Amino acid sequence: QMQLQESGPGLVKPSETLSLTCTVSGGSISSSSYYWGWIRQPPGKGLEWIGSIYYSGDTYYNPSLESRVTISVDTSKNQFSLKLRSVTAADMAVYYCARQPFSITGINDYWGQGTLVTVSS
Amino acid sequence: EIVLTQSPGTLSLSPGERATLSCRASQSVDSNYLAWYQQKPGQAPRLLIYGASSRATGIPDRFSGSGSGTDFTLTISRLEPEDFAVYHCQHYGRSLWTFGQGTKVEIK
Repeated sequence: QMQLQESGPGLVKPSETLSLTCTVSGGSISSSSYYWGWIRQPPGKGLEWIGSIYYSGDTYYNPSLESRVTISVDTSKNQFSLKLRSVTAADMAVYYCARQPFSITGINDYWGQGTLVTVSS
Repeated sequence: EIVLTQSPGTLSLSPGERATLSCRASQSVDSNYLAWYQQKPGQAPRLLIYGASSRATGIPDRFSGSGSGTDFTLTISRLEPEDFAVYHCQHYGRSLWTFGQGTKVEIK
């Protein structure tokens, strides 16, 4: 059973870096069949794709966030990670990690439960 | 960037009724790369439909998707109690992947 689980601090100070990790179980992150992505949802608002990574390290980012985002993969731990620099109140959201089939690039067929990140001093 | 506009914002219906949700794109969606998700409070979204009309694994056949170009529809033929939720459409494919703002289907 494929499962994804986000982890990381729930509170980040303005101007600092948000760091989250997604641990994948029930399957290998090194599979050539999938991308792995991050999506966020501000409270009461819609979903926003942040970026995605392939096991090889190839990354694709939302242009609106690209200057502040880094997504990396650690195949030895079956994890991938998100770093978002210089956060502001606008970055407060529930952050989800998700699996994205290579054959249908961009859809998200398995999701983590999500983790709320609050930006506050 | 393709902007997706969902309507209505809220749909008030009774169990057993038919729900019709709309997703309109600001420009034509390549190869019908349009997906629908269901999201219940406090839960992650669940993939329902991809390729505008293909049901994801395990999705009941009361859910159907249709449309092409810039106009897409999600239809729930007979609402079950567990279907009251928020529904999101998503464009995917070559360019920036974007979501609509969601339609809430609530119990009347």
